[in-house]
Amino acid sequence: DIHMTQSPSSLSASVGDRVTITCRASQSISNYLNWYQQKPGKAPKVLIYAISSLQSGVPSRFSGSGSGTDFTLTISSLQPEDFATYYCQQSYSTPCTFGPGTKVDIK
Amino acid sequence: EVQLVESGGGLVQPGGSLRLSCVASGFTFSDYWMTWVRQAPGKGLEWVANINQDGSEKYYVDSVRGRFTISRDNAKNSMNLQMNSLRADDTAVYYCARDGRRELVYWGQGTLVTVSS
Repeated sequence: DIHMTQSPSSLSASVGDRVTITCRASQSISNYLNWYQQKPGKAPKVLIYAISSLQSGVPSRFSGSGSGTDFTLTISSLQPEDFATYYCQQSYSTPCTFGPGTKVDIK
Repeated sequence: EVQLVESGGGLVQPGGSLRLSCVASGFTFSDYWMTWVRQAPGKGLEWVANINQDGSEKYYVDSVRGRFTISRDNAKNSMNLQMNSLRADDTAVYYCARDGRRELVYWGQGTLVTVSS
């Protein structure tokens, strides 16, 4: 199974901050890397698929980058509605494992 | 509008069984892979199983293989997860999701399964 890690596990930030979350896969996953946002009590929502493709309706302040085993989610200017937990997921091979999550809260 | 509605969750004793269902609407169900994802209380997301468009391919995470069975009925726009030999660590909210290209585009609201005596 492909193991996914994320860092940091949590971070505190202010509205307007630039936030970067990293994700690492235990082996190369080509471009099969997705990012999800989850708010408490809600189902996850896909933000980015295939490393850097923005899901329809997702604000352009979210962006993804990376290759091979190392990937990044960037929020260019954090907004109040962005306080949530973020998960990366590889869909290169089953089981399509998720990272442990990064909780973004208010500083 | 795409909708996925899970049902069938509840309280079950260790060793017991439960069958979850996911009814889909708003898209051509038979065109898409479908997936089950779970989330234990206060924990992260865990991919559980998926099934291809005609049900001929099924994949499972190791922790449920041999105990859980995923299936679908395209005539009824539904997907099921038969869960047997349930354990305390199967306690979670179970989400059904529809695949996109390779990401999980649409999710249901989830159904809670609690395994406890």
